[in-house]
Amino acid sequence: AQSVTQPDIHITVSEGASLELRCNYSYGATPYLFWYVQSPGQGLQLLLKYFSGDTLVQGIKGFEAEFKRSQSSFNLRKPSVHWSDAAEYFCAVGDGAGNNRKLIWGLGTSLAVNP
Amino acid sequence: NAGVTQTPKFQVLKTGQSMTLQCAQDMNHEYMSWYRQDPGMGLRLIHYSVGAGITDQGEVPNGYNVSRSTTEDFPLRLLSAAPSQTSVYFCASSYGDRGRRGGGYTFGSGTRLTVV
Repeated sequence: AQSVTQPDIHITVSEGASLELRCNYSYGATPYLFWYVQSPGQGLQLLLKYFSGDTLVQGIKGFEAEFKRSQSSFNLRKPSVHWSDAAEYFCAVGDGAGNNRKLIWGLGTSLAVNP
Repeated sequence: NAGVTQTPKFQVLKTGQSMTLQCAQDMNHEYMSWYRQDPGMGLRLIHYSVGAGITDQGEVPNGYNVSRSTTEDFPLRLLSAAPSQTSVYFCASSYGDRGRRGGGYTFGSGTRLTVV
């Protein structure tokens, strides 16, 4: 069965520093991978997705993620964090056969940004 | 476009009461889902639909019913509310095809439900 692990429950970075949020998945075929962000009291917003092709995916708000099949990872990166990036970040994988009928979710990483 | 609209935003129920959480989308998305979000437990899928007239159970379906009579609407019914159903509920929708258009779910802003 598919699964998603976000090893870091909470991360604190300084404003202007680089950021990497980790995501590991368990899936047999080429996965359908997503990163979402949730600001306090808000719904989730799609940052980026990967389904095929170039393994480096660009998203909104200056985020990017790299799919590494050999490591079963899909880590999210940003070169310079802004205070407004403080939020909860979720990684998810589609349920099978490249289908997104159901998404399997990680438990999230909470990001705090120090001024 | 309004996107995904959920109503109400807040609700307090007494144990045993029933209610319907409304969800509507105006993007002609085939797929729609209901999630609940609880602290430390991430997002858990309650029910989902791949098109009008087609629904299926997710990870935590007990105590909830859904129907999808139109592409736009996907209401979630709580049959007899219990304190364990206190949660934040999110509705989401997506195109069904794999590829550049598909996959990314659009979420509503949520319904915060308290059962006392």
